[in-house]
Amino acid sequence: NAGVTQTPKFQVLKTGQSMTLQCAQDMNHNSMYWYRQDPGMGLRLIYYSASEGTTDKGEVPNGYNVSRLNKREFSLRLESAAPSQTSVYFCASSTGSLNTEAFFGQGTRLTVV
Amino acid sequence: RKEVEQDPGPFNVPEGATVAFNCTYSNSASQSFFWYRQDCRKEPKLLMSVYSSGNEDGRFTAQLNRASQYISLLIRDSKLSDSATYLCVVASGYALNFGKGTSLLVTP
Repeated sequence: NAGVTQTPKFQVLKTGQSMTLQCAQDMNHNSMYWYRQDPGMGLRLIYYSASEGTTDKGEVPNGYNVSRLNKREFSLRLESAAPSQTSVYFCASSTGSLNTEAFFGQGTRLTVV
Repeated sequence: RKEVEQDPGPFNVPEGATVAFNCTYSNSASQSFFWYRQDCRKEPKLLMSVYSSGNEDGRFTAQLNRASQYISLLIRDSKLSDSATYLCVVASGYALNFGKGTSLLVTP
């Protein structure tokens, strides 16, 4: 059972480089999310997609763009990476209904030097 | 003010102890409430949902007080394997808002 799959698991970027974090879920979920987790800050929502074709900003969207490519896939793009974007990034998905849990991918550890 | 507030701990307790975590949230229109568990360098996983009437799952009991905008998690008979970070999660619309987490260390 794959669940939520994120790629890559680890990445080192130089300041100014761009990259796309990929996320796919095989649970037929409507809603997908991107979070970042930093020490002492907890999980902060970057962007979410309530359903295919829609995306909305979360708490910390600056410096990021997203694409809900289809129902399965939700990608996160860093156009010009900055050291402040060094973090662990988690993708999650849920049915979008009340009281249903979100399932998380294993995370991407990104370092920007 | 962050939407979901938790005491970060750490809570260091001996095996067999009872420990309680608290969480407050700011959005009175919040609709769904959860406790997640996160082990070191792993993804968060659902521990339990929190219902208005309170609910129990084995050694774990969750309570919700909508009037006070307060959620709690009680762990009885702590095990070494309960050592983890416990995340309070509040859903407002489609967004899931996480607290910073409370760290628990259960010692022999």
